[in-house]
Amino acid sequence: KNQVEQSPQSLIILEGKNCTLQCNYTVSPFSNLRWYKQDTGRGPVSLTIMTFSENTKSNGRYTATLDADTKQSSLHITASQLSDSASYICVVSAYVKLIFGTGTLLAVQP
Amino acid sequence: DTEVTQTPKHLVMGMTNKKSLKCEQHMGHRAMYWYKQKAKKPPELMFVYSYEKLSINESVPSRFSPECPNSSLLNLHLHALQPEDSALYLCASSPVKYGKGGRENTGELFFGEGSRLTVL
Repeated sequence: KNQVEQSPQSLIILEGKNCTLQCNYTVSPFSNLRWYKQDTGRGPVSLTIMTFSENTKSNGRYTATLDADTKQSSLHITASQLSDSASYICVVSAYVKLIFGTGTLLAVQP
Repeated sequence: DTEVTQTPKHLVMGMTNKKSLKCEQHMGHRAMYWYKQKAKKPPELMFVYSYEKLSINESVPSRFSPECPNSSLLNLHLHALQPEDSALYLCASSPVKYGKGGRENTGELFFGEGSRLTVL
């Protein structure tokens, strides 16, 4: 069964600190993996895409990693800001079908 | 224009009402989607349109009726809804690409801001 699980469910950190969100998947066939950021009451916005051959990709203070062997991805946020408070969703593409993760709710406090 | 526009932003309706949610994009995307999202949950796929034809219906109750009048517009007609249908309804679009295995979903979804629906 295709599944995408994220951890932790929720996370509270202080402004300026770093954090890492995890995504484990059992999806076949694997096409790519995306991290989305969803602000409260808004639609999700794509942060980064990882394909099978990529290990690391950065987008500003966001760095995503992918280990295709262990089927794990992480999203590292550096020097967090209050505006990073949001839900982060991992989405794995199995060619035509998209499988959404359960999400991690991040709260950055001053 | 890289926007997906949804209207209305908020909608309150009774269980006997008929209303519609609208979605528009001008990015030339030929795949359009309706998702339903409850609080603190990920979006759940409802319908997929590909080249203006319904390609996926995730066993959605018939009180939800999608319509794709043209390549830029997607509607969701609502009738006789239940209070548990209250949720954020998200429209998304994506380009359709073809790879080695045939049609691929790049996962590059462009979401609208959503329509917050409350059913009384």
